[in-house]
Amino acid sequence: AQRVTQPEKLLSVFKGAPVELKCNYSYSGSPELFWYVQYSRQRLQLLLRHISRESIKGFTADLNKGETSFHLKKPFAQEEDSAMYYCALRAPHNQGGKLIFGQGTELSVKP
Amino acid sequence: EAGVVQSPRYKIIEKKQPVAFWCNPISGHNTLYWYLQNLGQGPELLIRYENEEAVDDSQLPKDRFSAERLKGVDSTLKIQPAELGDSAVYLCASSLIGVNEQFFGPGTRLTVL
Repeated sequence: AQRVTQPEKLLSVFKGAPVELKCNYSYSGSPELFWYVQYSRQRLQLLLRHISRESIKGFTADLNKGETSFHLKKPFAQEEDSAMYYCALRAPHNQGGKLIFGQGTELSVKP
Repeated sequence: EAGVVQSPRYKIIEKKQPVAFWCNPISGHNTLYWYLQNLGQGPELLIRYENEEAVDDSQLPKDRFSAERLKGVDSTLKIQPAELGDSAVYLCASSLIGVNEQFFGPGTRLTVL
């Protein structure tokens, strides 16, 4: 079964500290992985996708197929990074293209 | 660009009453999604439309939930009758067919008393 697991409901760090939000997935094929973010009082929005291999707002995520993980990392957390982060998996379009979300991790960056 | 528009933003009803949510996707987006988000959980897909066609409604509880997307633009999601367990946030999203990025609306928070 397709599944995304985010083991931490809450992650609290101090400003300037490194942060890693964990994401593990279960999927037998070649999924596409995403990180979505929801800042306070804002709508859910795409942060980054594994295909792009990009760094957005200092965040990066590497797809590790051996460990079936897609952890989100940032070397120096900022207060404005405080938000809900959701890892998501998408099956290829010709296999339904369904987006499956994890439970989310709340990141709190303290001053 | 207003983005995906949803209304109402909040709705409080008593159980067994009907309720409807409306979504206007981003102009030109032919794929529309309805998600259910329970407290403390990630969004779960209820139904996906490509133009007017519901291409994935496997997670939609069809005994009480219905959806339509007439003319392939706006969409309405209905619950009749509502139950206490339906209290949640209902999210609408849209995208272009074959494009991975989905754009989400602000959601409708439903409370069933």
